[in-house]
Amino acid sequence: EVQLVESGGGLTQPGGSLRLSCATSGFTFSNCGMNWVRQAPGKGLEWISYINSSRTIYYADSVKGRFTISRDNARNSLYLQMNSLSAEDTAVYYCATDARDGGYWGQGTLVTVSS
Amino acid sequence: DIVMTQSPDSLTVSLGERVSINCKSSQTTLYSSNKKDYLVWYQQKPGQPPKMLIYWASTRASGVPDRFSGSGSGTDFTLTISSLQAEDVAVYYCQQYFNTPWTFGQGTKVEMK
Repeated sequence: EVQLVESGGGLTQPGGSLRLSCATSGFTFSNCGMNWVRQAPGKGLEWISYINSSRTIYYADSVKGRFTISRDNARNSLYLQMNSLSAEDTAVYYCATDARDGGYWGQGTLVTVSS
Repeated sequence: DIVMTQSPDSLTVSLGERVSINCKSSQTTLYSSNKKDYLVWYQQKPGQPPKMLIYWASTRASGVPDRFSGSGSGTDFTLTISSLQAEDVAVYYCQQYFNTPWTFGQGTKVEMK
C-alpha cells in the first residue's frame, strides 16, 4: 500500500522557519518525481516545488529563494525547508508523487504563520 | 505561466445525472514528441487530500470508477461523470504539468440537489 505521511507543520511567527518531512512507503521512491503542493484555508491548490529522480528542481515564484526542496532516497523521504515565513504561507502542505508516477498524495500538514 | 480556467465554478445536480466540467488552458499542454497532453484531473472531498482521477487528459487512474472519463486535447478539456453518485460530491481540479510552474484550475464544486 502506498503511503505518504507529512510532518513538521505547526505554528510559527512571521520571519520564522520550519522543515517539513514526507515519509513514504509502498513504492520505489528513488524513481519518482515528487511535489509539494499547498492549500490555504478555504482556497484552491497551489503547486510550490518539484524534484525528480535526478534531483532536477523547480520552484514557484512565490517561494523561490525562501524554500528548499530535498530528498533522501535512502530514507524514502522528501523534505521542504521553509524560511522567512509570512502569513501568506499559512496553508496545509501536501507531498505528492508526480502524476506520471501514480499521483499519490499524503494527508497534509498544517503550517500556521501568525504572531 | 499557463493559466487554467475551469467552468462552471459550481453546479448542483441530481443523483444519476450527467456532469461535465470544462478546463481551458492558456497554452497547449500537448507535447508534440509523444502526442500526450500533460493534464490531470483531481477530486477533493471535504477534509481529504486530492485524489488523482485522470492523467494524460483521458487515462483513468487505477481504481477509479468508469463513470469518470476525461476528454480533450491541446487547450480544451472536459471531465465527465456519466451518472452522479452521492460519493462524487466534491471539488474537482484540473492541473497542467506541461510547463513549470505546474498550475491548477480554480476548482469546480459539485453538489447534490
